Parts: sequence; C-alpha cells; structure tokens
Amino acid sequence: AQTVTQSQPEMSVQEAETVTLSCTYDTSENNYYLFWYKQPPSRQMILVIRQEAYKQQNATENRFSVNFQKAAKSFSLKISDSQLGDTAMYFCAFRRSGNTGKLIFGQGTTLQVKP
Amino acid sequence: SAVISQKPSRDICQRGTSLTIQCQVDSQVTMMFWYRQQPGQSLTLIATANQGSEATYESGFVIDKFPISRPNLTFSTLTVSNMSPEDSSIYLCSQVWNNEQFFGPGTRLTVL
Repeated sequence: AQTVTQSQPEMSVQEAETVTLSCTYDTSENNYYLFWYKQPPSRQMILVIRQEAYKQQNATENRFSVNFQKAAKSFSLKISDSQLGDTAMYFCAFRRSGNTGKLIFGQGTTLQVKP
Repeated sequence: SAVISQKPSRDICQRGTSLTIQCQVDSQVTMMFWYRQQPGQSLTLIATANQGSEATYESGFVIDKFPISRPNLTFSTLTVSNMSPEDSSIYLCSQVWNNEQFFGPGTRLTVL
C-alpha cells in the first residue's frame, strides 16, 4: 500500500522569502504521479504542481518548484518569493498511473506567510 | 481546467437524518470521485462513481451509509445516511481531466 508522509505540521516564512515543504512517500510502483495541492481557508483544493515519476526533470510553475528524488522517494515543494496569498494548508499527494482518481494524501502542512 | 460545482455548500443536520450532495462537472467523464475531509484531517477517497454501473467503495466505506448515484456523465450524488456527529466533515467531488485531478468547492456538513 502506498503512503505519503509530511513531517512538518506547521511552517512559517516571511513575505518575499523562500520556504521548502517536505514530503516523502512509499510505493512499489514504478510509474505514478505526485502532486502538491493548496487549500486556503476557502477550502477549495487548488492544484499547485504535478510531477510524473518517469520524468527526471523537476516540475516548475512560476514561483513553485519541486525537488523530486525518485530513489529517495522524496518530493519537496519550494515556494520562492512567498506572498501573503500563499498562506494555506499544503497537501502532498500520490496517484498511481492509469485511469484512476484515487489520490493518497499526506497529513498536510499549514504554511503561514508573515508580512 | 475542469469546472466542478457542488450543492449545497454547507448544511447543518440533525442526527439520524440523511443529506444528499450534488456534484456537476463541465465535461463528460467516465468516473467521478467522492472524498471526505474530516476536521483538521487530510482527504480520504470514499468511492468512485462509475457511469452505468455501481460505485466502487474504498475500505471502510459502505453503500448503505454512502449511497451514490451517477445518472449521466456529468452528474453524481452522494448521500450521507443516518447521520451522526462523526459524519461532520467536508465532502468533495473530484474528476480527472488531462491527468490532473480537480476538486469541487466542497460541502461542509455539520451534524448535531
């Protein structure tokens, strides 16, 4: 069975600084997807970034980038130039490849961006 | 990206009653998914709603408690039956589109 672990329940960062959220996972699969979702107080789940396991290149979306270490089963999220609107709960998630919508989520990390 | 709407957005219910949550997606998809997020917790998949067949439930969730309908490719309902305070959660509908997974805004359910 797959598991996803986020070991940082809460983090804070000053506005404009950089912060890294950690995520590790366990799976015997070779092909899969990894995601970071953001959930602000509005509770809407927003996809931040996606990584396909077969791609060696780390995904990047504007200020968000990941450090994907497949052998170590690590998938951290780096937020550069943090903004107040980045304040939210962040979830790391795993999904097997194929036509499935079953995401395995980590416990979440609450990020507070301070002015 | 996919657009998903849910109704109601929130509700307060008495124990022993049932609530049906509706989910509408803007594109035709074979499978829709229902997740639960208990207070302060992460999301857990309840079931996969398949068009034209019965829903597939995850371990720990049963049809009698969470009956699901899927009358067409853009609509699904989840019923939370015989509610107890432990059912107080956010219930989210989801779909996969272009290998990305999108979520509805959620239904916040409080059971008294």
